[in-house]
Amino acid sequence: GAGVSQSPSNKVTEKGKDVELRCDPISGHTALYWYRQSLGQGLEFLIYFQGNSAPDKSGLPSDRFSAERTGGSVSTLTIQRTQQEDSAVYLCASSPQGASGEKLFFGSGTQLSVL
Amino acid sequence: SQKIEQNSEALNIQEGKTATLTCNYTNYSPAYLQWYRQDPGRGPVFLLLIRENEKEKRKERLKVTFDTTLKQSLFHITASQPADSATYLCALSSGAGSYQLTFGKGTKLSVIP
Repeated sequence: GAGVSQSPSNKVTEKGKDVELRCDPISGHTALYWYRQSLGQGLEFLIYFQGNSAPDKSGLPSDRFSAERTGGSVSTLTIQRTQQEDSAVYLCASSPQGASGEKLFFGSGTQLSVL
Repeated sequence: SQKIEQNSEALNIQEGKTATLTCNYTNYSPAYLQWYRQDPGRGPVFLLLIRENEKEKRKERLKVTFDTTLKQSLFHITASQPADSATYLCALSSGAGSYQLTFGKGTKLSVIP
């Protein structure tokens, strides 16, 4: 079956614009994660969705960042009023249940460049 | 504060040799540790998981050890091949029941023919 799909693969935007990044998880996976990977840095946790539970937003770096997950499937990460420091690869991952120890299945990411 | 360190940013070895990558952590009591492989322009791919009560795990040419006293995991690739060249990431769970993984910065391995 298909893996985790992310779009667009690349996004170039101007400072101050809003961007939307999309993630299509593996069908049947109830848990969905967003991570950010900046050059030379480790993956930084942003947000976690599990079924119909309230998402864990503890990793979002500012209130310019938000995410939603519709129908327990597709997720959109929105960054408002983008800044140059938002430039990074945004990775989405899913797992079957979000249980402790479960391996994550990652998409190929969206490379965001803010000029 | 909690910290994960992978021994070096880059490691070069000769084809056929064993590559050993290190992951050290402080101020953690992880329930388990995972290793991922990441190729350029791709997301990480899961390789192995080892739990806190396990000393060693093997999968084909891969071996992972986990020493909770030393707070260290070693990741070995035996009979390395140029196709093993990639960045390898270790990831820790912050505790039992936790879904959140914290990743190291990774070690870029280059296997030279």
